[in-house]
Amino acid sequence: DQQVKQNSPSLSVQEGRISILNCDYTNSMFDYFLWYKKYPAEGPTFLISISSIKDKNEDGRFTVFLNKSAKHLSLHIVPSQPGDSAVYFCAASASGGTSYGKLTFGQGTILTVHP
Amino acid sequence: DAGITQSPRHKVTETGTPVTLRCHQTENHRYMYWYRQDPGHGLRLIHYSYGVKDTDKGEVSDGYSVSRSKTEDFLLTLESATSSQTSVYFCAIGELNTEAFFGQGTRLTVV
Repeated sequence: DQQVKQNSPSLSVQEGRISILNCDYTNSMFDYFLWYKKYPAEGPTFLISISSIKDKNEDGRFTVFLNKSAKHLSLHIVPSQPGDSAVYFCAASASGGTSYGKLTFGQGTILTVHP
Repeated sequence: DAGITQSPRHKVTETGTPVTLRCHQTENHRYMYWYRQDPGHGLRLIHYSYGVKDTDKGEVSDGYSVSRSKTEDFLLTLESATSSQTSVYFCAIGELNTEAFFGQGTRLTVV
């Protein structure tokens, strides 16, 4: 039962354009959402997060949008840079229910930004 | 560096042998997690801990056990390693509903 899904295995964009990465979830108890970035042979690093009481959070070039009714979140990167090329994971956690304390990840999306 | 260390970083072991991976933190975080990363599957939660001696199963816990006798250490044990457990294993630490910090990973090969 994949509770967090990233349906696009890969995304390719030109430098300077917008990158949009998408994530869907099924567990209505999830109330905190995160995006991580991973380079080869390294551990994932935290990028940005959003609480379920918000629908948008910005940090520099990165913006996360949350649509609770659709159980969907997205990460926008503007402008995209070649150094952004990595695997991006979305993740979700719950502060209640049977998923309490678990941090569940999606399958990841490989982003390639071309110069 | 978030004060998290995984050991060993690389290990090759034979099918049927027991293997223990160690995650050590210096941050005093309550939550500790073990994940495995495999192509096409992303990061899958094996087990996690929410305090000393308090652990729970993740989505792929079969064949794995964990122990947390001290706040700083979370051990992952493969009782009898199988080839399907060849993977990269990541430990993470954090608190509820905040970002988790990951270790550098352990590459395990079961031959």
